[in-house]
Amino acid sequence: KQEVTQIPAALSVPEGENLVLNCSFTDSAIYNLQWFRQDPGKGLTSLLLIQSSQREQTSGRLNASLDKSSGRSTLYIAASQPGDSATYLCALNAGNMLTFGGGTRLMVKP
Amino acid sequence: DAGVIQSPRHEVTEMGQEVTLRCKPISGHNSLFWYRQTMMRGLELLIYFNNNVPIDDSGMPEDRFSAKMPNASFSTLKIQPSEPRDSAVYFCASSRRGRTNEKLFFGSGTQLSVL
Repeated sequence: KQEVTQIPAALSVPEGENLVLNCSFTDSAIYNLQWFRQDPGKGLTSLLLIQSSQREQTSGRLNASLDKSSGRSTLYIAASQPGDSATYLCALNAGNMLTFGGGTRLMVKP
Repeated sequence: DAGVIQSPRHEVTEMGQEVTLRCKPISGHNSLFWYRQTMMRGLELLIYFNNNVPIDDSGMPEDRFSAKMPNASFSTLKIQPSEPRDSAVYFCASSRRGRTNEKLFFGSGTQLSVL
């Protein structure tokens, strides 16, 4: 059974700092990995999707990497802003079903 | 496109009552998923449909839970009878099946409180 872990559970950083969120998984037989953002009281918004054959994806200040051999993915956020404050979840797709990590709650302080 | 639409946004009910949650997926999407989110257990997949057919309902916690998808544009998740431990946020999501590069799109969720 796939297990997805995100550490740390919460992170607080000052505005402008570059940061890395971590996601680890136990089964490398995946189709893709997605990073989502969830704002309080809201649904999830897909940020980046990395195919199994890819190593990374970039969108604006966000860069996600995937290393299947080590069972790890990272989400890099450059020049963080208060508006980046949210919970970030990674999810692995192994056959049209997503398994989610517990999320990292990010707070970017002005 | 309006995205995945869920209703109601909030539901407060008493233990023992029937609860029906509704979902309209994105037009053209043929996979639909029901998730439940709690602080203790995070996001859990309850059931998913492909082309209106339930594919995997192993996540449905008990027989009190049932889900239907009578057509491509509508799905319901029903809890009967409801219990306080069912209190959670229930999300519906949709995507296009069979394409591994397709993202999953979530609705805004239904906040369910069973008193």
